[in-house]
Amino acid sequence: IVMTQSPLSLPVTPGEPASISCRSSQSLLHSNGKYYLDWYVQKPGKSPQLLIYLGSNRASGVPDRFSGSGSGTDFTLKISRVEAEDVGVYYCMQALKTRTFGQGTRVEIK
Amino acid sequence: EVQLVESGGDLVQPGGSLRLSCVASGFTLSSDWMSWVRQAPGKGLEWVACIKHDSSEKYYMDSVKGRFTISRDNAKNSLYLQMDDLRVEDTAVYYCAALDTARGGSAYWGPGTLVTVSS
Repeated sequence: IVMTQSPLSLPVTPGEPASISCRSSQSLLHSNGKYYLDWYVQKPGKSPQLLIYLGSNRASGVPDRFSGSGSGTDFTLKISRVEAEDVGVYYCMQALKTRTFGQGTRVEIK
Repeated sequence: EVQLVESGGDLVQPGGSLRLSCVASGFTLSSDWMSWVRQAPGKGLEWVACIKHDSSEKYYMDSVKGRFTISRDNAKNSLYLQMDDLRVEDTAVYYCAALDTARGGSAYWGPGTLVTVSS
């Protein structure tokens, strides 16, 4: 399964919303009715950390300004109001068949 | 506190071998699928291999099939990656990761270990 993210670079203004798109080459719908799509962020010099799992579920401790949505092959990560600490590279990952990551979207402050 | 700690990364010549290890603490590795993920310098994340909790299933990315072998020892709460016939393009930070988010809504990553393949 090929994962394609856009944009690859996203300059953002603190307090403004931001959105990242992720498209898969085939549907990520599991037979249990859930979408096997996760979002991770990798902050500078750190290991990736989970933000969203199964398409729309926030991981423990993740601020509610982060939200995930989508279905089929099209998914979106939204940040309602960007904060300076949100700088990093965001990856979508399909978990339906083994694992595949998108190319990553670099979020930086304008 | 959950910790995954990798070791075994080193500088090796093309064609050489390395064995990476990952030890888990605060986390029962035996319940989950486990993965190795790598990141070449300045590049994105790339899934390498995964193994089922009972070792009955193993999967690899195409470019490492036949060269890398993933294994685990649940009694030691450990994961391994045997890497043979290493190539320059295998140079990367290798992460041990528990990515079975559908099971428990959590994912765990180690800090990574650097493998450099160069003559």
